[in-house]
Amino acid sequence: GDSVTQMEGPVTLSEEAFLTINCTYTATGYPSLFWYVQYPGEGLQLLLKATKADDKGSNKGFEATYRKETTSFHLEKGSVQVSDSAVYFCALTRNNNDMRFGAGTRLTVKP
Amino acid sequence: EAGVAQSPRYKIIEKRQSVAFWCNPISGHATLYWYQQILGQGPKLLIQFQNNGVVDDSQLPKDRFSAERLKGVDSTLKIQPAKLEDSAVYLCASSTVRLAESSGANVLTFGAGSRLTVL
Repeated sequence: GDSVTQMEGPVTLSEEAFLTINCTYTATGYPSLFWYVQYPGEGLQLLLKATKADDKGSNKGFEATYRKETTSFHLEKGSVQVSDSAVYFCALTRNNNDMRFGAGTRLTVKP
Repeated sequence: EAGVAQSPRYKIIEKRQSVAFWCNPISGHATLYWYQQILGQGPKLLIQFQNNGVVDDSQLPKDRFSAERLKGVDSTLKIQPAKLEDSAVYLCASSTVRLAESSGANVLTFGAGSRLTVL
């Protein structure tokens, strides 16, 4: 079945460091891909999405490009801030059915 | 716009007791989901409603879990009797997308979740 695999955490970075969180997927056809973020004590929030190959989703300085050839959707940010500390989830959905989530990657940014 | 409302935020019960969680989705959202998020894991779908009908409940442990959305708006998830392994955060989400649409961008809006601890 469809699934998402993301890099294990936790990830600890210093402020202004470069961030990459890897995400790869397994799915038939052409899924839509998402990154959700969960801040402490809050629900999941959509960070960005891409619905077809080569699309780049971006929001709040975060970017991810839908790479069908490598079945990947890696999350990147050029300069992280303390306020980016959260758990990040990669997810996919196909034909608007069940949204499948990765296990999440906890990011801690230190001043 | 008001978000997805859930209650209670926290609940502690003993095993074999029952518990119910309530969710009110964003107004106008036809699709409602219940997810289970065990500590250290990603959310797992329990049940999906389209209006007041069940679309997918294949991962719902029906011997102890039940859910309803009688008027196509708010929903209740019940666990009876609870087991230790049911300790998790129960997330409700909603979306505007109907099954008939095929834009492929099914964006879910999540509530803050209900954290259940079973002792």
